[in-house]
Amino acid sequence: SYVLTQPPSVSVAPGQTARITCGGNNIGSKSVHWYQQKPGQAPVLVVYDDSDRPSGIPERFSGSNSGNTATLTISRVEAGDEADYYCQVWDSSSDHRVVFGGGTKLTVL
Amino acid sequence: QVQLQESGPGLVKPSQTLSLTCTVSGGSISSGDYYWSWIRQPPGKGLEWIGYIYYSGSTYYNPSLKSRVTISVDTSKNQFSLKLSSVTAADTAVYYCAREPFDIWGQGTMVTVSS
Repeated sequence: SYVLTQPPSVSVAPGQTARITCGGNNIGSKSVHWYQQKPGQAPVLVVYDDSDRPSGIPERFSGSNSGNTATLTISRVEAGDEADYYCQVWDSSSDHRVVFGGGTKLTVL
Repeated sequence: QVQLQESGPGLVKPSQTLSLTCTVSGGSISSGDYYWSWIRQPPGKGLEWIGYIYYSGSTYYNPSLKSRVTISVDTSKNQFSLKLSSVTAADTAVYYCAREPFDIWGQGTMVTVSS
């Protein structure tokens, strides 16, 4: 089955740029979606199809995907961005149609 | 806009069947534009996709749960449901329903498996 690998944690100071990676075999050939989850809340889609933003998501959130790594970039990080972030793909090559990464805890110092 | 709401027992005994329903409001489950999913999250852990259903009844399940999972749809009530049989403590989690491509989620419901 397809596996997505994320770092368990990323730390960044306010105003700096956070980059959260999501590794997978030839992930660049798939569409990657990113979710933000704050404690006690349901996940929120922040980036879809590698780099598109849903309505209402700040432009500070962006995504890229190439080769074996997809990246969620959060510019000018704010305290309110502290959350868990999950990447996700739809894997048509197996029965495990939807795959989530293990999640990354973003800490704003 | 479309909203999802999970409902069902918060406590299930080991070996029994967990049953949850997701009610869709603000839109029709029969529109044919989306798949309707169940996703769970054990306490302190990550997200795990359980499966999804199309309004026609076509289903896809996570292979690791496939033998115990049934997802069904009731278009007349604009609802879809999850049944997970032979539950153990490992099935304790927050269960979410979501519209695939996961742009809309329910608030989640905590289900504890305990005697």
